[in-house]
Amino acid sequence: GESVGLHLPTLSVQEGDNSIINCAYSNSASDYFIWYKQESGKGPQFIIDIRSNMDKRQGQRVTVLLNKTVKHLSLQIAATQPGDSAVYFCAEYNNNDMRFGAGTRLTVKP
Amino acid sequence: DGGITQSPKYLFRKEGQNVTLSCEQNLNHDAMYWYRQDPGQGLRLIYYSQIVNDFQKGDIAEGYSVSREKKESFPLTVTSAQKNPTAFYLCASSSSGMNIQYFGAGTRLSVL
Repeated sequence: GESVGLHLPTLSVQEGDNSIINCAYSNSASDYFIWYKQESGKGPQFIIDIRSNMDKRQGQRVTVLLNKTVKHLSLQIAATQPGDSAVYFCAEYNNNDMRFGAGTRLTVKP
Repeated sequence: DGGITQSPKYLFRKEGQNVTLSCEQNLNHDAMYWYRQDPGQGLRLIYYSQIVNDFQKGDIAEGYSVSREKKESFPLTVTSAQKNPTAFYLCASSSSGMNIQYFGAGTRLSVL
């Protein structure tokens, strides 16, 4: 596969456990945030988004939490599965400008 | 089957050569983007286009060129002026008024 995301922070979890992936964003004026999942050799896939007027949003097996006070975003994945193994990165959006974090590599152990 | 198609998946460039990466979308999106992805780094914006026949430089436009003659197509040329072209290149598109960008599968460019 492709070597996307070398030297990234890594998180290793047991199949069935919950995963929490964190992201510190840089711009306090950012008003929209997205989590993407990128599997090896593929393009990023949209997972979930959240606006700055919310502090929590839930999807299917995923929850995003936003703490604007400390400029922190987290992605929680419930009952992690082997297919969840990928690099996850956050994106922050402000005034037509989107910035992407480098990501965290999630490995799920069977 | 709607989506964004990038081609080729792998591309090799000889020194001094220009190469063009293709990006086509059938999502009827107005905006299209090109990013470069290097190991351990976040995506960096090369060029973007909000509308046909118009495009803007991103953060790392030097050594690259684009065109937007059709809404569906946004090809990226990596010129010989780009001295470190080896990277994974991602094309994305978004609908006007929407912030979510949808990505293609990427092109990996290497130098021979």
